[in-house]
Amino acid sequence: AQKVTQAQTEISVVEKEDVTLDCVYETRDTTYYLFWYKQPPSGELVFLIRRNSFDEQNEISGRYSWNFQKSTSSFNFTITASQVVDSAVYFCALSVPWAGNMLTFGGGTRLMVKP
Amino acid sequence: EPEVTQTPSHQVTQMGQEVILRCVPISNHLYFYWYRQILGQKVEFLVSFYNNEISEKSEIFDDQFSVERPDGSNFTLKIRSTKLEDSAMYFCASSLRGADIQYFGAGTRLSVL
Repeated sequence: AQKVTQAQTEISVVEKEDVTLDCVYETRDTTYYLFWYKQPPSGELVFLIRRNSFDEQNEISGRYSWNFQKSTSSFNFTITASQVVDSAVYFCALSVPWAGNMLTFGGGTRLMVKP
Repeated sequence: EPEVTQTPSHQVTQMGQEVILRCVPISNHLYFYWYRQILGQKVEFLVSFYNNEISEKSEIFDDQFSVERPDGSNFTLKIRSTKLEDSAMYFCASSLRGADIQYFGAGTRLSVL
């Protein structure tokens, strides 16, 4: 079975601070995919990134960056110079191809960015 | 930009009633999913659907639930006899291929009274 743990339930930062959201996953499969989704106050789920298990290269997209480390089963997400619009709940998720591609979500981290 | 569309945005029903939640996936996508999120909790997988049949379902997806793709564009979730604990946000998602990115609709908030 797959499991995703986001130990930080809530983080509060002041605008322009950097913040890292942690994600630890468990799976016995060697082929899997990791995702981050953002859920703003309006409630929809917005895709941010997808990573496959064979690609450990870190990725940067504007103020967002992701650090994938198989050795620690972690896929952490950093927001640099946070902004009020970054306030949302962020979900890390995992899928394996043989299980109907279902996404197993972590519990989410609520990020509050104060002006 | 193509998007997944869900209707209605909010559905209120009485316990024991049947509800149908509707979704229009992205047009060229082949894989379809339903998830639910009880208020303040994590998103939970319900069912995946491909080639007109269920490919995977969770323990939540019991005999009260069913899915259907009645035509070439709609994908529906039916709850036969709603319970109070079915109150949640229901999300539809679709992907082009199985392991691809799943794009989510805005959700339908179901309130069972």
